[in-house]
Amino acid sequence: QAVLTQPSSLSASPGASASLTCTLRSGINVGTYRIYWYQQKPGSPPQYLLRYKSDSDKQQGSGVPRRFSGSKDASANAGILLISGLQSEDEADYYCMIWHSDAWVFGGGTKLTVL
Amino acid sequence: EVQLVESGGGLVKPGGSLRLSCAASGFTFNSYSMNWVRQAPGKGLEWVSSISSSGDYIYYADSVKGRFTISRDNAKSSLYLQMNSLRAEDTAVYYCARVGEQLVVATYFDYWGQGALVIVSS
Repeated sequence: QAVLTQPSSLSASPGASASLTCTLRSGINVGTYRIYWYQQKPGSPPQYLLRYKSDSDKQQGSGVPRRFSGSKDASANAGILLISGLQSEDEADYYCMIWHSDAWVFGGGTKLTVL
Repeated sequence: EVQLVESGGGLVKPGGSLRLSCAASGFTFNSYSMNWVRQAPGKGLEWVSSISSSGDYIYYADSVKGRFTISRDNAKSSLYLQMNSLRAEDTAVYYCARVGEQLVVATYFDYWGQGALVIVSS
């Protein structure tokens, strides 16, 4: 079982909100991790969006709109990237990442389609 | 302006070697940990290796441990990845990435290069 699992794809309409999940493997407690989120558009390197561990331990990337926010669902053992007021330019691949056992681990990525 | 420019990519036969370089500019290189991240064609991101600002702490993904070596030359503001015993599954775009906080290894990557393509094929 992968350390981080993300749905492969998600579709949402312009102006709506999209909730992208990053589920941690059973036995790895989401509460103890800072979860980092990246956005990648075709042909470009990833861009850092934000970090979320708790409401008192979070960080927005430089220049990242407040439409992008992080949270957690402890019952699902998952980190969440919420994108509100979806715009066509938000169509991209999104990756979560954690530092686990002296290694960085990426989720498989979610392709967000805005249509 | 922070810039990271990778070089050294190319076509190599299975079992061969290649050395990637990442030239950094626009910041105090010796204050930041650096990383290599790769992305196979049409696939997701995979972390490869990290090195602390001084070079004293080094980490590798299991998939490359024993075959790849990360290093840095702070005097030249350069990061390197020596890749030996290359396999077809090492085919990917290799990005170098800087962390976002000085003197910290385990933090976000704020600047990325444009990547260097490595193709392992006979």
